[in-house]
Amino acid sequence: GAVVSQHPSRVICKSGTSVKIECRSLDFQATTMFWYRQFPKKSLMLMATSNEGSKATYEQGVEKDKFLINHASLTLSTLTVTSAHPEDSSFYICSADRQGMSYEQYFGPGTRLTVT
Amino acid sequence: EDQVTQSPEALRLQEGESSSLNCSYTVSGLRGLFWYRQDPGKGPEFLFTLYSAGEEKEKERLKATLTKKESFLHITAPKPEDSATYLCAVLSGSSNTGKLIFGQGTTLQVKP
Repeated sequence: GAVVSQHPSRVICKSGTSVKIECRSLDFQATTMFWYRQFPKKSLMLMATSNEGSKATYEQGVEKDKFLINHASLTLSTLTVTSAHPEDSSFYICSADRQGMSYEQYFGPGTRLTVT
Repeated sequence: EDQVTQSPEALRLQEGESSSLNCSYTVSGLRGLFWYRQDPGKGPEFLFTLYSAGEEKEKERLKATLTKKESFLHITAPKPEDSATYLCAVLSGSSNTGKLIFGQGTTLQVKP
């Protein structure tokens, strides 16, 4: 149990376009979902936290108008990178906090975004 | 300020050579300490949760322990497939969002 999926796994887009990444908890309901960004050989950087039906809480320095997060249900959250630029190229990973399971977070496989 | 420090940054072992990874933390009220394994190009894989000093958990060749200041991940007789980056994270008592504070990770390479 505790499987989280992400789609797509890889995406290449042109500068100025928008990209949507989906995160789903497949076999459990998530109280909270988290979006991270990871640079090469670096640890995870939390971008935002979202709860179903509520506005996301963004970390300091993360542009909420650029990284739009929608948490439509207890099993689905989406991250939209708007007007992407090459500096947005990165590895984006989501995680889900399993309801009633003592704060354990389960991570998706990640999405590699390349902006040309 | 809540903080997590992992050491060493990188570790090379021969197959069968046991060792330990360290995770030191300062946090205002620990609600949980988590160990993850991350392979290149993949998301972190959950390994263990520890909640209180003295607690230990085991899974195959891995054993995690917890004190009031640090956690160790002991690897017994490692195999090449244990090569990965191991991440430690804590959940602070002051957090009301479930935000984890991650260490920088230890990259383990096990040579056959």
